[in-house]
Amino acid sequence: EAGVTQFPSHSVIEKGQTVTLRCDPISGHDNLYWYRRVMGKEIKFLLHFVKESKQDESGMPNNRFLAERTGGTYSTLKVQPAELEDSGVYFCASSQDSRRASYNEQFFGPGTRLTVL
Amino acid sequence: GQSLEQPSEVTAVEGAIVQINCTYQTSGFYGLSWYQQHDGGAPTFLSYNALDGLEETGRFSSFLSRSDSYGYLLLQELQMKDSASYFCAVRPIYNQGGKLIFGQGTELSVKP
Repeated sequence: EAGVTQFPSHSVIEKGQTVTLRCDPISGHDNLYWYRRVMGKEIKFLLHFVKESKQDESGMPNNRFLAERTGGTYSTLKVQPAELEDSGVYFCASSQDSRRASYNEQFFGPGTRLTVL
Repeated sequence: GQSLEQPSEVTAVEGAIVQINCTYQTSGFYGLSWYQQHDGGAPTFLSYNALDGLEETGRFSSFLSRSDSYGYLLLQELQMKDSASYFCAVRPIYNQGGKLIFGQGTELSVKP
């Protein structure tokens, strides 16, 4: 079974440019999460999709970030225009069912390292 | 709010035992998880404590004490390949979506 994949692995852009990150979750996983780790700090939640619907976008920093999950399969995260503070590693994770109170493992991708110059 | 505190760095020698602590302030959560991340790789699940006590998985064990707002990850018989970042995380009860709140991570360096 293929794991969570992310593309690109690295992206270096200049301030003001646009970047689009892609995440392909594990097949059959309805839940898709985006997280970000900035400058060696904690991994912070950005948003959560259930299929194609945004369940929780409370972690999105501002309106320069736009996430989509058309068809409930892969997801994209667009940053437009990018700012210096957007640099970091963006992780995607997927899981089967988040409704259960018991543990539901999230499987992470390797991340996209974004550098904004 | 939710916050989890971990040491930023820990160094140990091969074959030794190391404990990575995680203290937290949270209004309620389902359980404490631990993830391992090698440089440039995906965070991978290591262990989960839903209840107080010790959970053992091979060389790794994890402990939770809700009354003390404290948990730890114990790594035994350290190997060079254990050098990585380790994150504790909780899933808040107030959020039914399943998002995880992470600590800032502990970078473990295993020396020969």
